[in-house]
Amino acid sequence: SQTIHQWPATLVQPVGSPLSLECTVEGTSNPNLYWYRQAAGRGLQLLFYSIGIDQISSEVPQNLSASRPQDRQFILSSKKLLLSDSGFYLCAWSGGRGTNTEAFFGQGTRLTVV
Amino acid sequence: LAKTTQPISMDSYEGQEVNITCSHNNIATNDYITWYQQFPSQGPRFIIQGYKTKVTNEVASLFIPADRKSSTLSLPRVSLSDTAVYYCLVGYNAGNMLTFGGGTRLMVKP
Repeated sequence: SQTIHQWPATLVQPVGSPLSLECTVEGTSNPNLYWYRQAAGRGLQLLFYSIGIDQISSEVPQNLSASRPQDRQFILSSKKLLLSDSGFYLCAWSGGRGTNTEAFFGQGTRLTVV
Repeated sequence: LAKTTQPISMDSYEGQEVNITCSHNNIATNDYITWYQQFPSQGPRFIIQGYKTKVTNEVASLFIPADRKSSTLSLPRVSLSDTAVYYCLVGYNAGNMLTFGGGTRLMVKP
């Protein structure tokens, strides 16, 4: 069966520090991968999505970046965190091209920038 | 990607049937309609997906009229544990993004 791992679960970082959140998927190949951010009491904001290695689309032009060094690994990064980067970050995967399957989400990372 | 419109919030009582309607006037021919449920501090969870007419599973039913410009998620006999945010998404999954709207915050009261 497929599983998705996202870590860490919680993170407290000072303003200006770097960020690296990692997400890995097991049990499937060539998945679509997504990074979302959710502010308190708000909906999910799509940050990045990827349909393959080194194929990443950015939906929100901010100080965040994403990379997909391997087929089932998706990394969210920042060189210098801002206070506004605080939020709940979720990684998700869905079936690749030609499928209409649902998306599966990780448990999320609660990031607090202080 | 078709934009969706849902009520911001709904209240219900335990044991009642809850119907949440989503409007998606610009749905494309290949688009599917998918509903997710999200509890606080958790990732959304798939509930049901359909293309037309009616789909039913052990959790919910999804009603889609012939023009497919709207859909209704039906939760039979809700309980307190059904209190959550429900999202309606429209799209074709092959290589495209999954964009969530604001969702509907359902509050089930005793």
